[in-house]
Amino acid sequence: SQQGEEDPQALSIQEGENATMNCSYKTSINNLQWYRQNSGRGLVHLILIRSNEREKHSGRLRVTLDTSKKSSSLLITASRAADTASYFCATDAWYSSASKIIFGSGTRLSIRP
Amino acid sequence: EAQVTQNPRYLITVTGKKLTVTCSQNMNHEYMSWYRQDPGLGLRQIYYSMNVEVTDKGDVPEGYKVSRKEKRNFPLILESPSPNQTSLYFCASSLRAGTGLYEQYFGPGTRLTVT
Repeated sequence: SQQGEEDPQALSIQEGENATMNCSYKTSINNLQWYRQNSGRGLVHLILIRSNEREKHSGRLRVTLDTSKKSSSLLITASRAADTASYFCATDAWYSSASKIIFGSGTRLSIRP
Repeated sequence: EAQVTQNPRYLITVTGKKLTVTCSQNMNHEYMSWYRQDPGLGLRQIYYSMNVEVTDKGDVPEGYKVSRKEKRNFPLILESPSPNQTSLYFCASSLRAGTGLYEQYFGPGTRLTVT
């Protein structure tokens, strides 16, 4: 089942610009996480925001969470070539007494020099 | 160094030949999970384990088996691989689950091709 859906599917911006990616989900969640994946490699955790939080910062990353709209956004400020990667949101929710994490299909971010 | 290791990293096999992909973590994590990643579909969970001897199906468990006899190891077994199991596989672990998952640590991936 696809819980998180990222938008846009692909994004290309100039180095130095800001990049915004959105994630929508369907059910109530415990927390929402964002991960980065460089081509063909393992995912790396970026940031976790809990359901009772509205905004969180980590370096150049800013994540917001709107539980009423069931959506989250990831903002990367002052983008760099090294930010080129795919970004996934992952929602953690309860399913039949077990906590499960479900990933969206991702946003491919390309930073142009 | 805290890490999740997977072996092999690359595997080409033929239909029906049983194979095992190993996964090991050195962080004393309770929770472990297997995912497959296919183009346009993101990561889909195959099986997960909340702790030793506790495993459960994810979203796409058909054709796979797992076991969790030790806390650090969580092997993925394909008893009779088929071409539709050609994919990129990731193992992941997390400190614990139960009141909400913590961040997951991912292995480097195993690229499996079944001909």
